[in-house]
Amino acid sequence: KAGVTQTPRYLIKTRGQQVTLSCSPISGHRSVSWYQQTPGQGLQFLFEYFSETQRNKGNFPGRFSGRQFSNSRSEMNVSTLELGDSALYLCASSLVSYHEQYFGPGTRLTVT
Amino acid sequence: TQLLEQSPQFLSIQEGENLTVYCNSSSVFSSLQWYRQEPGEGPVLLVTVVTGGEVKKLKRLTFQFGDARKDSSLHITAAQPGDTGLYLCAGAPLGNTGKLIFGQGTTLQVKP
Repeated sequence: KAGVTQTPRYLIKTRGQQVTLSCSPISGHRSVSWYQQTPGQGLQFLFEYFSETQRNKGNFPGRFSGRQFSNSRSEMNVSTLELGDSALYLCASSLVSYHEQYFGPGTRLTVT
Repeated sequence: TQLLEQSPQFLSIQEGENLTVYCNSSSVFSSLQWYRQEPGEGPVLLVTVVTGGEVKKLKRLTFQFGDARKDSSLHITAAQPGDTGLYLCAGAPLGNTGKLIFGQGTTLQVKP
């Protein structure tokens, strides 16, 4: 069974731009969660989607948004990028919400 | 605010030594998971503990869930360089859905 895939793996953007990251979950998994990981803050929860509906949201500004498609694939968007948005963005899928999470390799975003 | 505190944050030991990592909270969790993350990759699930007092073993790794389901520990016997990585605990709070709470992580370096 194929694992969670994320594209792109690396991304360099400048301040003020926007970015869209993509995640394909494990086949059959309907829950997709997004996390931001930085050395200072650790792994922080962004949001979780289940069957195309956002079920939980972390404490991030409205510049961070996401969506899930009918095939469970998910995208997250960050608008008006700031230097502090530089991080590893991880997507994880699971059968059931907050159940065992299977993580993708992440997208390393650098904002200059 | 539900928090999971991990200790120690950093650990550098010689091959063959034993170590214990702790994950503590004032909140009760319905389950707790341990992950290991290697540089440039996403976290990989090691184990899930569900019952208070539960002990699970994975080769040289022993995981324990506290009786009150507020804390957990990971003990590694005879550490090897291949154990090097970031260890993360994550809890599913009682009554919450879709949101795992992650600890800050313990960076382990095992020197040959």
